[in-house]
Amino acid sequence: ETGVTQTPRHLVMGMTNKKSLKCEQHLGHNAMYWYKQSAKKPLELMFVYNFKEQTENNSVPSRFSPECPNSSHLFLHLHTLQPEDSALYLCASSRKREGACYFGPGTRLTVL
Amino acid sequence: EDQVTQSPEALRLQEGESSSLNCSYTVSGLRGLFWYRQDPGKGPEFLFTLYSAGEEKEKERLKATLTKKESFLHITAPKPEDSATYLCAVGGGNTGTASKLTFGTGTRLQVTL
Repeated sequence: ETGVTQTPRHLVMGMTNKKSLKCEQHLGHNAMYWYKQSAKKPLELMFVYNFKEQTENNSVPSRFSPECPNSSHLFLHLHTLQPEDSALYLCASSRKREGACYFGPGTRLTVL
Repeated sequence: EDQVTQSPEALRLQEGESSSLNCSYTVSGLRGLFWYRQDPGKGPEFLFTLYSAGEEKEKERLKATLTKKESFLHITAPKPEDSATYLCAVGGGNTGTASKLTFGTGTRLQVTL
């Protein structure tokens, strides 16, 4: 399934680095999401964009900065992260009014 | 606050041994209950959406059912390739806006020969 792609698949960064995660969806959906998946925890919703407008920021620290230039692309800019931010970051998309989210393969992030 | 609880946390079955996974939920204004399958190192793969109590959906060896308080994922005659973590999520939120999903922690299923 290549409906939602994410790059890079793996990322190792120091606490002082700046990096960006990229997501692209080819499903014609209007909503895009960032989720965080940590070991032994449920998936946590971070951000929601609907028609390029941010509609949800789930109390995410400002060291995570999302960007949605259009309905097909979503970025997550990272700066001055902490080791506890190490996790699998998942991008997803869905149609408006339809709940089924389709996920990308994720970016495995390790913060040293 | 929306909550989703999945049980058991882990389940080991022999090939052909049918069983059920449970998902209990509380949500204000259910806008769908979702089942996903997740393989190690991959993103969740969408399986089913259920919207109202009494609804059932099937896909190969999997059948999902829904009541007002819980959902079951029945696995009939499982095969080793069914081994994965199965995630349950509920959708709540406002009509007309993008859905928000609250996930459970999943059931890790292992099917052995």
